[in-house]
Amino acid sequence: AQSVTQLGSHVSVSEGALVLLRCNYSSSVPPYLFWYVQYPNQGLQLLLKYTTGATLVKGINGFEAEFKKSETSFHLTKPSAHMSDAAEYFCAVSEYRGSSNTGKLIFGQGTTLQVKP
Amino acid sequence: DTGVSQDPRHKITKRGQNVTFRCDPISEHNRLYWYRQTLGQGPEFLTYFQNEAQLEKSRLLSDRFSAERPKGSFSTLEIQRTEQGDSAMYLCASSIQGGHGELFFGEGSRLTVL
Repeated sequence: AQSVTQLGSHVSVSEGALVLLRCNYSSSVPPYLFWYVQYPNQGLQLLLKYTTGATLVKGINGFEAEFKKSETSFHLTKPSAHMSDAAEYFCAVSEYRGSSNTGKLIFGQGTTLQVKP
Repeated sequence: DTGVSQDPRHKITKRGQNVTFRCDPISEHNRLYWYRQTLGQGPEFLTYFQNEAQLEKSRLLSDRFSAERPKGSFSTLEIQRTEQGDSAMYLCASSIQGGHGELFFGEGSRLTVL
């Protein structure tokens, strides 16, 4: 079964500093991986996804993530934090049963990003 | 392009009452998902449909919960005899079968049971 672990439920950075949100996954098949962002009282918005191909994936709002199979990681980064980046971030992996993608996503617990002025 | 819409956005009810949430997916999406999210947690899968067929229900979905998608378009999630533990954000998402797996989420319906 697939699973996702997000290391650190809260991350605090200063405006302009590097953002690093950590995600490790478990999957017996090549995974599809996702990062979503959620602002207060809103739904989830896709930031970026990895399916196949290039392991460094660029998303919206200047975020990017690198798929590292050897480390089973998919960490999210942004070179310079902006106040508007303060939100909750979720890493997710597609569920497989055998070799079939069920279409469901399995989410991590989330990381709250605080950006200090 | 209209995204996934959910109604109502907020619902406050008394314990023991029934509530119903509606979700309208993106029109060309044949898959529709319901997730539940409690404070400080990631979304947890409840159930999903492919067209009008309900393909899977989570063990989280007790017999007080029922979901339908009668014509393969919009879906409803009904909770009967609500309990305080049902207080949560109920998220609906849709996708295309055979796509790359990304789900498109609505704004959610927040339920508060007093």
